Amino acid sequence: QSALTQPASVSGSPGQSITISCTGTSSDVGGYNYVSWYQQHPGKAPNLVIYDVSNRPSGVSIRFSGSKSGNTASLTISGLQAEDEADYYCSSYTSSSSVVFGGGTKLTVL
Amino acid sequence: EVQLLESGGGLVQPGGSLRLSCAASKFTFSNYAMSWVRQAPGKGLEWVSAISGSGGTTYYADSVKGRFTISRDNSKNTLYLQMNSLRAEDTAVYYCAREGPGVIIQYFQHWGQGTLVTVSS
Repeated sequence: QSALTQPASVSGSPGQSITISCTGTSSDVGGYNYVSWYQQHPGKAPNLVIYDVSNRPSGVSIRFSGSKSGNTASLTISGLQAEDEADYYCSSYTSSSSVVFGGGTKLTVL
Repeated sequence: EVQLLESGGGLVQPGGSLRLSCAASKFTFSNYAMSWVRQAPGKGLEWVSAISGSGGTTYYADSVKGRFTISRDNSKNTLYLQMNSLRAEDTAVYYCAREGPGVIIQYFQHWGQGTLVTVSS
């Protein structure tokens, strides 16, 4: 199972919005509404920010939102804040009854 | 608040074995599927294995199938990962993760802090 494709890095200024894409295939992202997103700060464990494509766990800022179109899912962060600077990973359930992650995207807040 | 505490990591020679444990608390352990996810130094996340709440169903990534065994003891609120025939490429921080309610290999709602496994001679 090949990793999902994410941009290596994205950046934005405080207050702006950014979008991170996550491209897979019809056997994973495109075939199921089981895409999730994780935020990971350096040296810390990942933290779930979006599940089932667009659902936000309790306690996660409403500035985080998710969507999907075909084989590509997206994470949008609006009103960027310094604390949003982190690595972001997407993941998806697959037709092989497994989970595949994206390679990760480093978000820099300028 | 959900607590997950991994232990058992360390340095092991190629071909060796190691058993990781994850002690869970502050939730009804048997009601939730659990997974192991690893992260090689400076690399991304890789799902390793999952087990249902009852322990009756297990899933493995192709990279560890036949070498790793996931299990759980619901009476002890503990998740395990038995790792055999270890290779250098298994070197990683291993995270224990609790799945969302009523699901398995769908999303990881809570994570432990991880335990480092280093495979080297």
